[in-house]
Amino acid sequence: QVQLVESGGGVVQPGRSLRLSCAASGFSFSSYGMHWVRQAPGKGLEWVAVIWYDGDNKYYADSVKGRFTVSRDNSRNTLYLQMNSLRAEDTAVYYCARPAYTSAWSQQIDYWGQGTLVTVSS
Amino acid sequence: QSVLTQPPSVSGAPGQRVTISCTGGSSNLGAHYDVHWYQQVPGTAPKLLIYVNNNRPSGVPDRFSGSKSGTSASLTITGLQAEDEADYYCQSYDSHLSALVFGGGTKLTVL
Repeated sequence: QVQLVESGGGVVQPGRSLRLSCAASGFSFSSYGMHWVRQAPGKGLEWVAVIWYDGDNKYYADSVKGRFTVSRDNSRNTLYLQMNSLRAEDTAVYYCARPAYTSAWSQQIDYWGQGTLVTVSS
Repeated sequence: QSVLTQPPSVSGAPGQRVTISCTGGSSNLGAHYDVHWYQQVPGTAPKLLIYVNNNRPSGVPDRFSGSKSGTSASLTITGLQAEDEADYYCQSYDSHLSALVFGGGTKLTVL
């Protein structure tokens, strides 16, 4: 069955960096674009970034553009999110998520990881 | 401020029907992009509830239904049950932003 397992969250000071990972299994990882979606405490869902199946194209939310970088290693079935220049407002649970279709990353998400909490605080 | 607008909360008694609205604009719902709905119990990951406007994944009861017209969409839950108490989010794609967009979420309380 499809599994997405995030790791790498923790407490980090403002201005510092953190890298999240998402280990995927149970499906052909290299065929799917992949998303990062976050949720601040007590707030709603916010899309962060997407990377195409081959890593050639990436899109970001304006709130993280220039600070976050999404990447993937299809040989390791792993998705990454490099977060630099972290701010207090980046505090959130970060989910890795798979779109339902290999050919349309902009459609619905059918699988989500359990999330990893990132807390940006001095 | 979310690109898609939802009411912050709705409520209903067991057995009743509730509707949650989702309003977008000309670069998302109005541009004929599909809307999808998720259910999230606090402390857990979201779960896909309705996809491509009005389709239910297997295992989702037919008490849940969706519709879309123009720049608006709605999720309707009939025969409310206590287990339906959760947060609900609509989601679409925005061509101006080149991004997935979510509604701000609606908290459903079963009285």
